[in-house]
Amino acid sequence: AQTVTQSQPEMSVQEAETVTLSCTYDTSESDYYLFWYKQPPSRQMILVIRQEAYKQQNATENRFSVNFQKAAKSFSLKISDSQLGDAAMYFCAYLGNFNKFYFGSGTKLNVKP
Amino acid sequence: DTGVSQNPRHKITKRGQNVTFRCDPISEHNRLYWYRQTLGQGPEFLTYFQNEAQLEKSRLLSDRFSAERPKGSFSTLEIQRTEQGDSAMYLCASSLVPGGTNYGYTFGSGTRLTVV
Repeated sequence: AQTVTQSQPEMSVQEAETVTLSCTYDTSESDYYLFWYKQPPSRQMILVIRQEAYKQQNATENRFSVNFQKAAKSFSLKISDSQLGDAAMYFCAYLGNFNKFYFGSGTKLNVKP
Repeated sequence: DTGVSQNPRHKITKRGQNVTFRCDPISEHNRLYWYRQTLGQGPEFLTYFQNEAQLEKSRLLSDRFSAERPKGSFSTLEIQRTEQGDSAMYLCASSLVPGGTNYGYTFGSGTRLTVV
């Protein structure tokens, strides 16, 4: 079975600084997708970034980038130039052949002004 | 299209009562999913539909839970004889899966259930 592990329950970053959130996963599938979702207090799960496992190039979306290490089954999220609006719960998620998500337990990100 | 809509946003019910939640997916999406999220945890898969057919149910979905998606449009999730352990947020998501390729989900804002 697929599992997703986020080992940092909570992290803090100063506004305008950079922070990295960690995620590891376990799977025997060769084709899959990895995601980072943001969940603010409003509860809406917002897609931050997506990575296809077959792509070697790390995905980037403006201030958000990932470090995808397929052999190590590692998928970290880097947030550059952190903003107050980045404060939220961040979930790492795996989507494989069975078309259902496996989520990590989340990392609460605090952004200090 | 305004995305995936869930109603109600909050539901407080007494233990033993039945509750029903509704999810309206993005209109062209053929797949609809239900997840449950307890406090401090990530969402866990409950069940999903391809059009009107319920294709998979998690072991988390006890016989007190039933989900339907009549005509492949909106979906309802009913919990009978609620228990305090059912208190959670119930998330709905939809996606378009043409030819087996999933282009990713859109989530609703969830229904938060509190059983007292």
